[in-house]
Amino acid sequence: DSGVTQTPKHLITATGQRVTLRCSPRSGDLSVYWYQQSLDQGLQFLIHYYNGEERAKGNILERFSAQQFPDLHSELNLSSLELGDSALYFCASSESSHNTDTQYFGPGTRLTVL
Amino acid sequence: GEDVEQSLFLSVREGDSSVINCTYTDSSSTYLYWYKQEPGAGLQLLTYIFSNMDMKQDQRLTVLLNKKDKHLSLRIADTQTGDSAIYFCAETRNSGGYQKVTFGTGTKLQVIP
Repeated sequence: DSGVTQTPKHLITATGQRVTLRCSPRSGDLSVYWYQQSLDQGLQFLIHYYNGEERAKGNILERFSAQQFPDLHSELNLSSLELGDSALYFCASSESSHNTDTQYFGPGTRLTVL
Repeated sequence: GEDVEQSLFLSVREGDSSVINCTYTDSSSTYLYWYKQEPGAGLQLLTYIFSNMDMKQDQRLTVLLNKKDKHLSLRIADTQTGDSAIYFCAETRNSGGYQKVTFGTGTKLQVIP
């Protein structure tokens, strides 16, 4: 158990819909990272938040957005969903934003878009 | 370049050693990681090595880093059926003041009893 929690575990929705994925970091961790894992693209970094502020963006679509709240939990919002958005979405947390930090991954949310 | 490459599949017999290889292209990588992903589960951090090290050993796991060839390997001694999983290497580098992580394609390890 990494200490990172994600909800829901599974999510099934239809094309065109919008969903919100939630992540709670390990106690004391200030950084949250979001990743997408799909058969086509493998594991990809989406976005990084540190103490409520966006720090880095990776391969995140404009239809996707995220935020980190004052209690440090984070939400990833996916809108206008397409079939290709079906994937496993992971969040990870780390103590700070340094490149020496180890990231601890949550169990993931499996999103299926029908 | 940002590619991190791994072979897709490795099959070994229980009790043998497994060696999973990874090549990366960015010489400015600072940390290199190995993660394990079991079916239906999230990523589990196994071990990591700082870029100025050549080797790191942690119980049954040995990580070797050849910076000149940009080659990273994970050796699992006395491989067990519970080691069957997908193994990802990942590199991190400082990009504009933040940590950017790039994952390899993953190697599926099958352990034959």
